[in-house]
Amino acid sequence: GQNIDQPTEMTATEGAIVQINCTYQTSGFNGLFWYQQHAGEAPTFLSYNVLDGLEEKGRFSSFLSRSKGYSYLLLKELQMKDSASYLCEISTGGFKTIFGAGTRLFVKA
Amino acid sequence: GAGVSQSPRYKVAKRGQDVALRCDPISGHVSLFWYQQALGQGPEFLTYFQNEAQLDKSGLPSDRFFAERPEGSVSTLKIQRTQQEDSAVYLCASSSGGNTEAFFGQGTRLTVV
Repeated sequence: GQNIDQPTEMTATEGAIVQINCTYQTSGFNGLFWYQQHAGEAPTFLSYNVLDGLEEKGRFSSFLSRSKGYSYLLLKELQMKDSASYLCEISTGGFKTIFGAGTRLFVKA
Repeated sequence: GAGVSQSPRYKVAKRGQDVALRCDPISGHVSLFWYQQALGQGPEFLTYFQNEAQLDKSGLPSDRFFAERPEGSVSTLKIQRTQQEDSAVYLCASSSGGNTEAFFGQGTRLTVV
């Protein structure tokens, strides 16, 4: 079967660092995306990993280990506006993509 | 506009009614996706177009769902004889192709009563 697991909710403090994990089992793999989605809004692209390792982009970094079926999104210097859902998406190699259920992040002052 | 546009933003349909949801992708984008998103869940893949060709419709939940993109730009998702379980947000996304980032529209929130 195809499965993507993310924690349902996380809470962190403004200014801190938070790591959101994503583990997956899919029939094919052609890349992993992270998206941010504020309530009632469209998902917006954050990062893409296809090779193992860390991709850094400002306050956001994403890591991939294909052998472990594992990725994480690292958010540094958290701001209140980072309160949102974070979606892990797998490109399976065909045209279909699979999303996890998302992790709701609450940033508190 | 510069982004993906979907209309209507909100639609209330009586059970059994047919609905049509429209997506205007970013100009020149080859790839177009439709997703269904239930409250508190991630988007679920419905179908994929490359230009006007529907290359994957494996996610369409039943034969009541039909999508088209006749000229390779605007796409319409049609749901016939709507049921309460069809209530969800329907998201459209477009990309320039390959494994590039997808740009999502704001979605259409469909409520079937």
